[in-house]
Amino acid sequence: DAKTTQPNSMESNEEEPVHLPCNHSTISGTDYIHWYRQLPSQGPEYVIHGLTSNVNNRMASLAIAEDRKSSTLILHRATLRDAAVYYCILRPHNDYKLSFGAGTTVTVRA
Amino acid sequence: DSGVTQTPKHLITATGQRVTLRCSPRSGDLSVYWYQQSLDQGLQFLIQYYNGEERAKGNILERFSAQQFPDLHSELNLSSLELGDSALYFCASSVEGTGPGEQYFGPGTRLTVT
Repeated sequence: DAKTTQPNSMESNEEEPVHLPCNHSTISGTDYIHWYRQLPSQGPEYVIHGLTSNVNNRMASLAIAEDRKSSTLILHRATLRDAAVYYCILRPHNDYKLSFGAGTTVTVRA
Repeated sequence: DSGVTQTPKHLITATGQRVTLRCSPRSGDLSVYWYQQSLDQGLQFLIQYYNGEERAKGNILERFSAQQFPDLHSELNLSSLELGDSALYFCASSVEGTGPGEQYFGPGTRLTVT
């Protein structure tokens, strides 16, 4: 499986943007970039995914580098509810399992 | 609420026993996935079913088995339980087994083996 590298932790202030980086230098042309998050004591939650172009949804934005070797998840205005572990996952187009790494633990300060 | 339900929420049992975890996917989802989350191994994919058929297998022990029934609910059977099987077990579902296929996770079953 293609691997991703994320910082162990990040801190943010409430109502400020959060930029979560993910490096995936061995990504192949058909790998989707998925982001999930896991709030304390809950199951993982789908956030966003993309292939080549930047993507926006109601939860976040995903900025994908032109060479696709890195991406950034952007939470536009962090709230206390956004405190979670965020996972960046590469999913090959023909392999539906999700391979979770250690993720980035995001702490939001009030 | 993801729409995926799992029962029971908690399970405490002894080593050597057998348990069954149950998952009901979101309405209309044909694929079901099982994951194990332990402190030392993190979140690991176990197995996927699509419309009743096994689609993919991950790091699932031979003591573990799963099935998906005609009504699309799934069960994960864990037998000859060991202390190391204590973990959170998550079920997820997705619309299809193809395409980007975002997965929706249930709240999990916490298994404690004593």
